Formats: sequence, C-alpha cells, structure tokens
Amino acid sequence: QQQVKQSPQSLIVQKGGISIINCAYENTAFDYFPWYQQFPGKGPALLIAIRPDVSEKKEGRFTISFNKSAKQFSLHIMDSQPGDSATYFCAASMRRNRDDKIIFGKGTRLHILP
Amino acid sequence: SQTIHQWPATLVQPVGSPLSLECTVEGTSNPNLYWYRQAAGRGLQLLFYSVGIGQISSEVPQNLSASRPQDRQFILSSKKLLLSDSGFYLCAWSVSVTGRADTQYFGPGTRLTVL
Repeated sequence: QQQVKQSPQSLIVQKGGISIINCAYENTAFDYFPWYQQFPGKGPALLIAIRPDVSEKKEGRFTISFNKSAKQFSLHIMDSQPGDSATYFCAASMRRNRDDKIIFGKGTRLHILP
Repeated sequence: SQTIHQWPATLVQPVGSPLSLECTVEGTSNPNLYWYRQAAGRGLQLLFYSVGIGQISSEVPQNLSASRPQDRQFILSSKKLLLSDSGFYLCAWSVSVTGRADTQYFGPGTRLTVL
C-alpha cells in the first residue's frame, strides 16, 4: 500500500526523442507526486511535481501526466538531450503529522544517445 | 537561502571500524532531517528521520544509529561497520508548511566504501 512502482528500470532514447517513465501507486491517500532527478555522484533534486487535482503539468520540456482513476502518473521528457541522462525517481506523499515521509520509486536510469 | 552540507565526501573504512557522518543545514529552522542510503545503481532507502532535537525514528533495523544533537545537525553512526554498509549516504531536509513537508532537499552525499 505504501509502495510506488516505477518502470522501466533503465531506458535508452535517441537525442531529440521522447523519454517516458511510468509510476503506479495503491494508496489513494497520496496527494502529492514529485519527480526527482539525480546525476551521478550527486544528490537527487526536485524536478517537477503535481497534485491530483490536475491531470497534467508542464515545465519546459518536462511534463507530468496524472491519471487519478488508474492511480498512475508518468514523466515525459520532450526533445530529450544528452544532458538529461540521469536517474529519475518518482515519489508520493500524503498529508500527515510532522513525521512527513516521501515514498520513492526504485528509479529509472535514463541514457540519451547523442 | 538554504544549504545542506555533508562530510566527508568520500570515506574508505575497514570492516569493524566505527563510522560518523555529519550533515548540517543552514538557512532554515526546525527542519525535518533524513538519512538515506543508496546502494550502487539502486534506489533510495530511508534509514532514519527526525522531526526535532533528540527525536529519531528508525526505518530499517541495522547496525547504524542516528542522532540530532542540534536543530540543524544530523549525525549517522556505527560502532562496527559491515561490508554491506558500503553505499552512497544522503542527508535531506524538509520544512513543514501548513502541516506539509512535501519537498525534500538533498545534500551532496558521502560515498562510503567498507573493505
């Protein structure tokens, strides 16, 4: 119930193509869904996030699509660039008391071919 | 602006030796603090989190411990390291806003190799 399932585990995309990473959750109490980007040897950083009251959020080349009924959300990277090569984590959180925790997916290692 | 520091950046330790990793946050008060471990090519495993000084919650039973002696200081320790303790250790912080602490901000990490 507390898991966030992420796929694929790794992804190779040609430069200029669309990268798509999918996540699914079970707990309907989750109400905040961020994506984190991690470059090798660095800590993850927040990339983009969405709340379930909207079905899509776009920031530049990055778009989150959210399907509340299917309990799924995905990250789309348009016009993928070699600089986008990184590990991407989807995550979910819910309103709690102060002991807030984020549940992370297992990550997708994305490689963009030049 | 807020910043988070971790040290050391890299560490090579023999099996059975003690460990102390330090994390400090600047520019914010009363943050939630977190320790994660990331094995090579793997996901983020939450080890400990703290909502205040002296308040530590453990997520995974292991030979590691955490302490929060000051509001913006979080320490990860071990009395005797195991080979399986090798990994990339990440500290993170968040701040509750209107009862939520949705976004976590990660430090640069410590690469620990146990030989």
